[in-house]
Amino acid sequence: GESVGLHLPTLSVQEGDNSIINCAYSNSASDYFIWYKQESGKGPQFIIDIRSNMDKRQGQRVTVLLNKTVKHLSLQIAATQPGDSAVYFCAENPYSSNTGKLIFGQGTTLQVKP
Amino acid sequence: NAGVTQTPKFRILKIGQSMTLQCTQDMNHNYMYWYRQDPGMGLKLIYYSVGAGITDKGEVPNGYNVSRSTTEDFPLRLELAAPSQTSVYFCASSYGVEGGDGYTFGSGTRLTVV
Repeated sequence: GESVGLHLPTLSVQEGDNSIINCAYSNSASDYFIWYKQESGKGPQFIIDIRSNMDKRQGQRVTVLLNKTVKHLSLQIAATQPGDSAVYFCAENPYSSNTGKLIFGQGTTLQVKP
Repeated sequence: NAGVTQTPKFRILKIGQSMTLQCTQDMNHNYMYWYRQDPGMGLKLIYYSVGAGITDKGEVPNGYNVSRSTTEDFPLRLELAAPSQTSVYFCASSYGVEGGDGYTFGSGTRLTVV
């Protein structure tokens, strides 16, 4: 079946370094992708999104890159801070017509070392 | 605005017991969702609703039931609890079908079935 997956379960970075979290998706019909951050004991929080007609989108300290050719999504976090420590999920919306259902990847745990 | 409120936050059930997980949102969102999150995994959709009186199955609906009698409330019912239903349950609501920053998650209900 269709799924969204992540390449690495855990990523450990030094404070101040840049982080790159990767995601592979399998549904070529998906046209909307979202990155979520989930801190311990909390629900996912929206970080940034991108539509399939774009290949890059920037937010505050975060950038999402989309490569539709290889069905790959990445989240770049600049100058990683201790507060960035969390689990990061990518999600795709392959049902953009009328339901809002999302398919989530397994998640990558980002650990920021001081 | 309280956003999406879930109760209870924690619950331990015995095998075969039943319970209802409550979810209420005060944002007048038409779309509501129930996801479950198993340890180290992403979220999987159980049921969703595109408006009051309308519900539909997601990816993992077996063992659950939902109702949507009002726009605000979307309770999830577990009948005959099983150990496989041990998980963290998240309710979410959205004003649109795409997700992204319009998608708000509750803080979750941690359920253990013993």
